[in-house]
Amino acid sequence: NAGVTQTPKFQVLKTGQSMTLQCAQDMNHNSMYWYRQDPGMGLRLIYYSASEGTTDKGEVPNGYNVSRLNKREFSLRLESAAPSQTSVYFCASSRLLGQVQETQYFGPGTRLLVL
Amino acid sequence: EDQVTQSPEALRLQEGESSSLNCSYTVSGLRGLFWYRQDPGKGPEFLFTLYSAGEEKEKERLKATLTKKESFLHITAPKPEDSATYLCAVQATSGSRLTFGEGTQLTVNP
Repeated sequence: NAGVTQTPKFQVLKTGQSMTLQCAQDMNHNSMYWYRQDPGMGLRLIYYSASEGTTDKGEVPNGYNVSRLNKREFSLRLESAAPSQTSVYFCASSRLLGQVQETQYFGPGTRLLVL
Repeated sequence: EDQVTQSPEALRLQEGESSSLNCSYTVSGLRGLFWYRQDPGKGPEFLFTLYSAGEEKEKERLKATLTKKESFLHITAPKPEDSATYLCAVQATSGSRLTFGEGTQLTVNP
């Protein structure tokens, strides 16, 4: 049981390049999330998927797109990377029990540097 | 808008020196308050969930408590391996999102 896994662990991009961050969970959770973490800003929600087939914007969605590929996988895409997107990206998942989201469990993170 | 403020930003303790971390929050209606531990270069690791004022939970040297306005994470006789950043987050009854504080960076010196 690996929990939440993320690939890649590290990535360096040039401004304008695109990339996709991958996330998978093996806990049979309904809901998945993408956060970014920046010094002095805490964790901020980019996008989330409450259940397979749905996605919603979080606090800082501009410049990003997401795809809920299936129940296990949730990807985050940067179409044209900007230096402001240099950050550490975390994926998380949780169980949806009725209308209630339970505890979120986090992956190890992807460290992204945009030059 | 939900808000979470953690204090202090950083705390240095000697091994065995007990202390508390504070998490103050404002939320329209609290469904749950979460504590996470984050080690450098790693993702947040879940510690506790508290649901109602007066609730307490313990795990080894850590005890979390909750009032209507704040939560405390008490660390009793800490060890160097307790050094980490501790994050607090709230979940409102109106939605599923977590709102995180900026964390308290704890260093325990041997």
